[in-house]
Amino acid sequence: DAGVTQSPTHLIKTRGQHVTLRCSPISGHKSVSWYQQVLGQGPQFIFQYYEKEERGRGNFPDRFSARQFPNYSSELNVNALLLGDSALYLCASSWDYHMDTQYFGPGTRLTVL
Amino acid sequence: TQLLEQSPQFLSIQEGENLTVYCNSSSVFSSLQWYRQEPGEGPVLLVTVVTGGEVKKLKRLTFQFGDARKDSSLHITAAQPGDTGLYLCAGGGNQGGKLIFGQGTELSVKP
Repeated sequence: DAGVTQSPTHLIKTRGQHVTLRCSPISGHKSVSWYQQVLGQGPQFIFQYYEKEERGRGNFPDRFSARQFPNYSSELNVNALLLGDSALYLCASSWDYHMDTQYFGPGTRLTVL
Repeated sequence: TQLLEQSPQFLSIQEGENLTVYCNSSSVFSSLQWYRQEPGEGPVLLVTVVTGGEVKKLKRLTFQFGDARKDSSLHITAAQPGDTGLYLCAGGGNQGGKLIFGQGTELSVKP
């Protein structure tokens, strides 16, 4: 079975632009979570979605938004990009929203110039 | 605010040596996960521990969850260059599917 997939792999944007990152969970997994990992740090929780509803939100500004589709795939949107948004964006999936064991995708490397 | 502190942050050892990485918190977690991450890739799950005092072994890796479920350790026996990477601990269960990560331990094993 395929693992968590994310697209694109790499992305370069300039300040003020917006970006959309995509994630497909492991088949059968209904929960998708998004994390931001800045170089040299552990991942920071951004959002969790389950059955198309937001189940959790981390300490990120309203420029960050997400949604989940009927097939359980998900998009993360970031508006008005700042230099500090440069990071590895990770998507993780699990069977249910309260499941601690999460499986991560390869990530999308976002560089903001 | 829940925090997980990992130590050491950096570790450089010779092939064949043993090492232990620690993950500590003042908060209780219902579970603790350990991940290994290569540069530019996503974290790969190594183990999940859920019971206080639980010990799990994965080949040369031994994971332990503290009795009070506030701390965990990862012990590697006879380290090999292939063990090189970033080791992350993550606590879960307290806020739905949100995982709290430590800052990671960068391990380098030299041949």
